[in-house]
Amino acid sequence: DAGITQSPRYKITETGRQVTLMCHQTWSHSYMFWYRQDLGHGLRLIYYSAAADITDKGEVPDGYVVSRSKTENFPLTLESATRSQTSVYFCASSVRRNTGELFFGEGSRLTVL
Amino acid sequence: KQEVTQIPAALSVPEGENLVLNCSFTDSAIYNLQWFRQDPGKGLTSLLLIQSSQREQTSGRLNASLDKSSGRSTLYIAASQPGDSATYLCAVNHTASKLTFGTGTRLQVTL
Repeated sequence: DAGITQSPRYKITETGRQVTLMCHQTWSHSYMFWYRQDLGHGLRLIYYSAAADITDKGEVPDGYVVSRSKTENFPLTLESATRSQTSVYFCASSVRRNTGELFFGEGSRLTVL
Repeated sequence: KQEVTQIPAALSVPEGENLVLNCSFTDSAIYNLQWFRQDPGKGLTSLLLIQSSQREQTSGRLNASLDKSSGRSTLYIAASQPGDSATYLCAVNHTASKLTFGTGTRLQVTL
């Protein structure tokens, strides 16, 4: 039971580069989410997806792009990384929209120099 | 705007003690509340999920209660162990799958 796997777990990049964080889940959950976790801000929702080809913005979407061509994958792309995007990124999934339990991946720690 | 507060921010207790972690939220129109555990450098592990129609949920030594009218939830940990040391987060699901998280309580259980 692999659950949710994120890759890479650690990434260092430079300002202006494009970075893609991958998220893969094996449960066939409909809903998938991307959060970032920062000291002083807690966890904040970046984007979420209700199903393949359906995505919507969360609280802090600027500078990020998502896609969901397959139910099991939900990649997050930083098109032109900035230092303010240095953070720990968590992918999560849920079987139901409002009442479902949320399950998280191990996180991807991104440093933008 | 929904705001979630967790008090205390940090807590240290000796092994064997029973303890209570608090979570409060400002808008009582919620779908559910979920408690998570986060170990350093790790992801969040779901502990308990309480739907808005429920008053409490139990799992092993953990018991979580929910009082929507007062905007409060508590996580009770019985007979604490060093392995319980972690950060505990509560999250409120209130709008279209958008959870609002508290900033957590860092728990240390000492020998």
